Amino acid sequence: ILNVEQSPQSLHVQEGDSTNFTCSFPSSNFYALHWYRWETAKSPEALFVMTLNGDEKKKGRISATLNTKEGYSYLYIKGSQPEDSATYLCAFPSISSGSARQLTFGSGTQLTVLP
Amino acid sequence: EAEVAQSPRYKITEKSQAVAFWCDPISGHATLYWYRQILGQGPELLVQFQDESVVDDSQLPKDRFSAERLKGVDSTLKIQPAELGDSAMYLCASSRGLAGVSEQFFGPGTRLTVL
Repeated sequence: ILNVEQSPQSLHVQEGDSTNFTCSFPSSNFYALHWYRWETAKSPEALFVMTLNGDEKKKGRISATLNTKEGYSYLYIKGSQPEDSATYLCAFPSISSGSARQLTFGSGTQLTVLP
Repeated sequence: EAEVAQSPRYKITEKSQAVAFWCDPISGHATLYWYRQILGQGPELLVQFQDESVVDDSQLPKDRFSAERLKGVDSTLKIQPAELGDSAMYLCASSRGLAGVSEQFFGPGTRLTVL
């Protein structure tokens, strides 16, 4: 069973604080790493798909880094705003049956930004 | 902006009844996924279609769950009979390519409650 671990499970920060959380995944046979944001009552939304060791991606105040050799990715949010409150999920594509890949998701980090 | 449509948004049923969920992916997306998400956990893949063909249904409980995508466009997921443990969020997603480096676009989900 593939293990994709996210920490912390939940996080409360004050508006304006910067924060980060971690996704750990198997370092062997790396293929890609996905980050999604899921706001309450909305659809999960893709943030990044990362494929290269050392890759860093940015979207507004949110950025992510990737270390495939040690099997982790960090998601950073600079100057958190209440609208950043959401569950942040990472997912790791793995081979399931035949040659098909499926995304294995972590349990997510639930971020609450307090005004 | 194109979106993945799902219906119904909420469904309450009694155990042993049949339920069905519908998904319409983004036009042109060949790959369609059904996920189940239990509170506090990440989404878990139930079935993956490439056009009208199933490419992965290894985690679909086939004694009670069925899924079809007859014309390679919209899809239906059915549970018969529903059990208490089936209470969860059922998410549909689509992507241009197969799971791996293709970002997935999610619908709003169907929240199922089995009484």
